[in-house]
Amino acid sequence: NAGVTQTPKFQVLKTGQSMTLQCAQDMNHNSMYWYRQDPGMGLRLIYYSASEGTTDKGEVPNGYNVSRLNKREFSLRLESAAPSQTSVYFCASNKGPMNTGELFFGEGSRLTVL
Amino acid sequence: GESVGLHLPTLSVQEGDNSIINCAYSNSASDYFIWYKQESGKGPQFIIDIRSNMDKRQGQRVTVLLNKTVKHLSLQIAATQPGDSAVYFCAENSGGYQKVTFGIGTKLQVIP
Repeated sequence: NAGVTQTPKFQVLKTGQSMTLQCAQDMNHNSMYWYRQDPGMGLRLIYYSASEGTTDKGEVPNGYNVSRLNKREFSLRLESAAPSQTSVYFCASNKGPMNTGELFFGEGSRLTVL
Repeated sequence: GESVGLHLPTLSVQEGDNSIINCAYSNSASDYFIWYKQESGKGPQFIIDIRSNMDKRQGQRVTVLLNKTVKHLSLQIAATQPGDSAVYFCAENSGGYQKVTFGIGTKLQVIP
């Protein structure tokens, strides 16, 4: 049982390049999330998907787009990467409505934008 | 805006002693408060949560205390072990669809 799987684990981009971070979960969870983690700022929510077919903005959505491809997969796209998007990105999932807030996280994707 | 924060960024504890990690929150409407542990190079891992209508909850070697009067949350770890060394985040669940907001984290260092 893999849980939440993120790819790639590491990526270096040049300013203006685009890329997509992939996330898949095998726990039959309804809700999925993308967070970014920066030193001294904890984890900040970028986008979330409460259920298949829906997506909503989180705290820091600018510069990102998401796609909930199916129940298992939730991707995060950077259309034109900027140095400010250098961060560690975490995908997470949970069962969905009425959940306490217990999130299951992937191992993270470390992105550097030069 | 609403936020969750921590009093101490780094905490050093002798192995075998008890650890107490503190957290202040400002959103009194949150339904749940959660503690996560993050080891180096890994994603955060759920430890324990507490509902807003409770003031104490115990798990295996961990206890979470909630004081709504002063909007304070704490995590107590009994008999701290080297494997407890990590960054600990408090978080709150205040959204209809689990908008979980995280604090900045406290680094726990266990001295052998």
